[in-house]
Amino acid sequence: DGGITQSPKYLFRKEGQNVTLSCEQNLNHDAMYWYRQDPGQGLRLIYYSQIVNDFQKGDIAEGYSVSREKKESFPLTVTSAQKNPTAFYLCASSMYSEKLFFGSGTQLSVL
Amino acid sequence: EDKVVQSPLSLVVHEGDTVTLNCSYEVTNFRSLLWYKQEKKAPTFLFMLTSSGIEKKSGRLSSILDKKELFSILNITATQTGDSAVYLCAAGQYNFNKFYFGSGTKLNVKP
Repeated sequence: DGGITQSPKYLFRKEGQNVTLSCEQNLNHDAMYWYRQDPGQGLRLIYYSQIVNDFQKGDIAEGYSVSREKKESFPLTVTSAQKNPTAFYLCASSMYSEKLFFGSGTQLSVL
Repeated sequence: EDKVVQSPLSLVVHEGDTVTLNCSYEVTNFRSLLWYKQEKKAPTFLFMLTSSGIEKKSGRLSSILDKKELFSILNITATQTGDSAVYLCAAGQYNFNKFYFGSGTKLNVKP
């Protein structure tokens, strides 16, 4: 079945530590996205990528980094510079600005 | 500044009631308006609207877009407890392949 796989489901970060969230899709979509969701709020765009080896900052990119070495994969690294990383992170993909398909999300918490 | 605003932020109704959720947008190079339902984690797709005045329906849910006044509504008739969720709307752009989300409307349907 085609879809988007995010891992892990739950992740804990120690202070000063970088952590990486995985996102893999087999939908053959060109565009991939990372969103952050805080409790009771909508989705805010962190980074997006329209093609391999290219990505753009979204509205809240500070403290995050991404790579897009393969069409299927768009990992997100939450760096130690992100002082308030506790949130629910959603990865999504789309083709030609059509609807977004979402992964099941990763809940990141700080120890 | 590109933005999407949803109202109300939360709503409590009883089973059988009809509800209307609102979404207004100001997005450059607007292409599409998307509605999603988020129950636990990953948002699930409801509708994509690109043309004004054409109602889309799926069972008890329907939605319409007004591109002149820059808003969309989502109607749910004969509500059920299973409709309890956060409803998100998003505006998609041409060219940049970006999607802007509103803060969501939290719907609580009581028995």
